[in-house]
Amino acid sequence: GENVEQHPSTLSVQEGDSAVIKCTYSDSASNYFPWYKQELGKRPQLIIDIRSNVGEKKDQRIAVTLNKTAKHFSLHITETQPEDSAVYFCAAITSGTYKYIFGTGTRLKVLA
Amino acid sequence: KAGVTQTPRYLIKTRGQQVTLSCSPISGHRSVSWYQQTPGQGLQFLFEYFSETQRNKGNFPGRFSGRQFSNSRSEMNVSTLELGDSALYLCASSQTGDDTGELFFGEGSRLTVL
Repeated sequence: GENVEQHPSTLSVQEGDSAVIKCTYSDSASNYFPWYKQELGKRPQLIIDIRSNVGEKKDQRIAVTLNKTAKHFSLHITETQPEDSAVYFCAAITSGTYKYIFGTGTRLKVLA
Repeated sequence: KAGVTQTPRYLIKTRGQQVTLSCSPISGHRSVSWYQQTPGQGLQFLFEYFSETQRNKGNFPGRFSGRQFSNSRSEMNVSTLELGDSALYLCASSQTGDDTGELFFGEGSRLTVL
């Protein structure tokens, strides 16, 4: 069945450094790849997404890259700040299936 | 606009019992999906509803079921509870009818099975 692998499960970086989280998906028909951020005790919220017709998308300090051939996509956070500390989830969706496959999450800790 | 509302927020049940969780989506949102969140397993998709129809479901046993009402509110039910069902159950609503739009999550219902 469909699967999304996410690495690493935990990541600690110094404030100001960059963080990279990687996801690999199994369904080659997947065409929508959102990233959600879940702060401690709060609900997940969408931070950025990318569709399969685009290779890269940026929004201020965050960016997502997609490699359809290798079936993987990555979240890049630059100039990390303490408020970036959270659990990040990637997901891969094949439009029209109405089935949301999430990765297992990455706990990011930004050390001041 | 009010956000996605889930009730109850916390509940404790014993093995063998059944539980019903409720989700009220954002006004105007017609798609509701449900997820089980456990440490190490991330967000596991349970099912998705649109206009009272289940359009897909995840790989969970038949003890997990759901429904959606005409006002888009949704409920999920878990029968014959097992210890492993202890988890945070999240629902999310989406404004668009397709599955490539933003999901708006509720705060979840935390179920503990003793």
